[in-house]
Amino acid sequence: AQKITQTQPGMFVQEKEAVTLDCTYDTSDQSYGLFWYKQPSSGEMIFLIYQGSYDEQNATEGRYSLNFQKARKSANLVISASQLGDSAMYFCAMREYDNDMRFGAGTRLTVKP
Amino acid sequence: GAGVSQSPSNKVTEKGKDVELRCDPISGHTALYWYRQSLGQGLEFLIYFQGNSAPDKSGLPSDRFSAERTGGSVSTLTIQRTQQEDSAVYLCASILPRGLNTEAFFGQGTRLTVV
Repeated sequence: AQKITQTQPGMFVQEKEAVTLDCTYDTSDQSYGLFWYKQPSSGEMIFLIYQGSYDEQNATEGRYSLNFQKARKSANLVISASQLGDSAMYFCAMREYDNDMRFGAGTRLTVKP
Repeated sequence: GAGVSQSPSNKVTEKGKDVELRCDPISGHTALYWYRQSLGQGLEFLIYFQGNSAPDKSGLPSDRFSAERTGGSVSTLTIQRTQQEDSAVYLCASILPRGLNTEAFFGQGTRLTVV
């Protein structure tokens, strides 16, 4: 079974600084997709970024980038130039081909002014 | 519709009663997931529907939980004889799985409170 591990229950970052949220995963499949979602206090789930297992380049979307290290099975999210609005829960998820999508336990990020 | 729609948005029920939660996915999305999220916790996988294939029910916590998806579209999650530990937000997501790079779109959830 898939397993997603987020070891940081909570993280603090100063506004305008960068922060890395950790995610490791376990799969025996060669083909899989990795996702990060943001969940603000309103409860909605907001898709941030995607990384495919065969993608050679790290994914980037604006201030979000994914530090993908396939051999280590890690897919850390890097948020640059943190903003107060980045305070939220962040979830890492993985989907294998034609399979369910599993999520990690999440990291609560607090951006301090 | 434009997005995934869940109803009701809030449900308060008495312990022991049955409840039905509805999810209307994005039109054309063949894959549908149900998750449960307890307060401040992560997303617990419940069940996954993909097209006409048999659903993956491996995440259902007990036989009080069941789900169906009619006509490959609307899904209903049923909880029988509700218990206080069933109190949580139930999230539904749908995907058009053209490949692994398609993200899941989530509904706003149903907040279930068992009193």
